[in-house]
Amino acid sequence: DAKTTQPTSMDCAEGRAANLPCNHSTISGNEYVYWYRQIHSQGPQYIIHGLKNNETNEMASLIITEDRKSSTLILPHATLRDTAVYYCIVRANAGGTSYGKLTFGQGTILTVHP
Amino acid sequence: ETGVTQTPRHLVMGMTNKKSLKCEQHLGHNAMYWYKQSAKKPLELMFVYSLEERVENNSVPSRFSPECPNSSHLFLHLHTLQPEDSALYLCASSQVANEQFFGPGTRLTVL
Repeated sequence: DAKTTQPTSMDCAEGRAANLPCNHSTISGNEYVYWYRQIHSQGPQYIIHGLKNNETNEMASLIITEDRKSSTLILPHATLRDTAVYYCIVRANAGGTSYGKLTFGQGTILTVHP
Repeated sequence: ETGVTQTPRHLVMGMTNKKSLKCEQHLGHNAMYWYKQSAKKPLELMFVYSLEERVENNSVPSRFSPECPNSSHLFLHLHTLQPEDSALYLCASSQVANEQFFGPGTRLTVL
């Protein structure tokens, strides 16, 4: 799976949009970009994933550049409860009966302040 | 609530004890995973079961022994652990290669 690079930490004011960048310059054509987050001492929570089109769900939006070498996770109106470690992971969605391995890095510590 | 439960949530054990961690998923998934998260380290994948067969074992010491009796249940049997095995142990499940859903974890302390 391709390696990802994320900033170590970011701050965001409550109510503002949080934009978390991720670089994945070695991503290959069949690899997806996944985002998870982990609130302190809890299990990671799936947020969103995409292949090449931008994606949006009730939690966030994912913007993937046209060359797919980087992406941005957008939390449109950050709240204090969004304070967490955010992980950007690249992996292939294996088909059939195979599983898709997730390799977690250090992630970005997002702190939302009042 | 993610649909993945883990028990116990906290466990303290001595190095000579034998204990088991339990994971149960209520999502109808067919793959289950054990991860370990030590302090200040990324999550490390330990074991993967797909369709109740172990498909990955990431060089985990034999003092950790997984068991997957059916697609909804996963156990991690622990014996003669070391203090450095103290960590948060996380279980996850997925429908084969789709997104994984994690349980709340078991905080293990080995004395």
